[in-house]
Amino acid sequence: EPEVTQTPSHQVTQMGQEVILRCVPISNHLYFYWYRQILGQKVEFLVSFYNNEISEKSEIFDDQFSVERPDGSNFTLKIRSTKLEDSAMYFCASSERWAGGRETQYFGPGTRLLVL
Amino acid sequence: GNSVTQMEGPVTLSEEAFLTINCTYTATGYPSLFWYVQYPGEGLQLLLKATKADDKGSNKGFEATYRKETTSFHLEKGSVQVSDSAVYFCALSDPYGNNRLAFGKGNQVVVIP
Repeated sequence: EPEVTQTPSHQVTQMGQEVILRCVPISNHLYFYWYRQILGQKVEFLVSFYNNEISEKSEIFDDQFSVERPDGSNFTLKIRSTKLEDSAMYFCASSERWAGGRETQYFGPGTRLLVL
Repeated sequence: GNSVTQMEGPVTLSEEAFLTINCTYTATGYPSLFWYVQYPGEGLQLLLKATKADDKGSNKGFEATYRKETTSFHLEKGSVQVSDSAVYFCALSDPYGNNRLAFGKGNQVVVIP
């Protein structure tokens, strides 16, 4: 069964450093997403991406964040200058189409980011 | 805005017991409702979903019914197994948005043999 993959599974970085989290969505999917979960808190939406542009972003997704689909298979989340509060589990997801919110999103296993 | 509330705290129960996890929501319009499950070391997997009022989603012995009058989508299973130990997340999707999911906090379920 096709699945969403993410690399790395764990990342430790120093405050102020840039990190790139990578995702390979399911191959025939057109919509891509990033979510994060700070330890003990809810899973929070960050951004959705379609047709090579951001379709929606949350208030969390400020100028330090960016997303890119650099080729036909990868989808990346870049955090330009990490802060301590960026420590979280980051989940990538993809869906085949938009269907008025009825479409299932398929999630990757997550990247655990720790900022020191 | 849209939000999902799940009952507080982990749930510990014995094998073959009945499981209920409560989920209520606040949303404008008619959202779609989902239960996702996260097994240890894995990502979020869709367990079941319902896209309109009175729909019942079911999978692997789990069921949840979309109740518009009580804005609820409680998850139930009649007889749990040790393999059902996981974290369960309730979520909703706004029909007018760009597929953004709003999640509840999740409930850790531990099934003891």
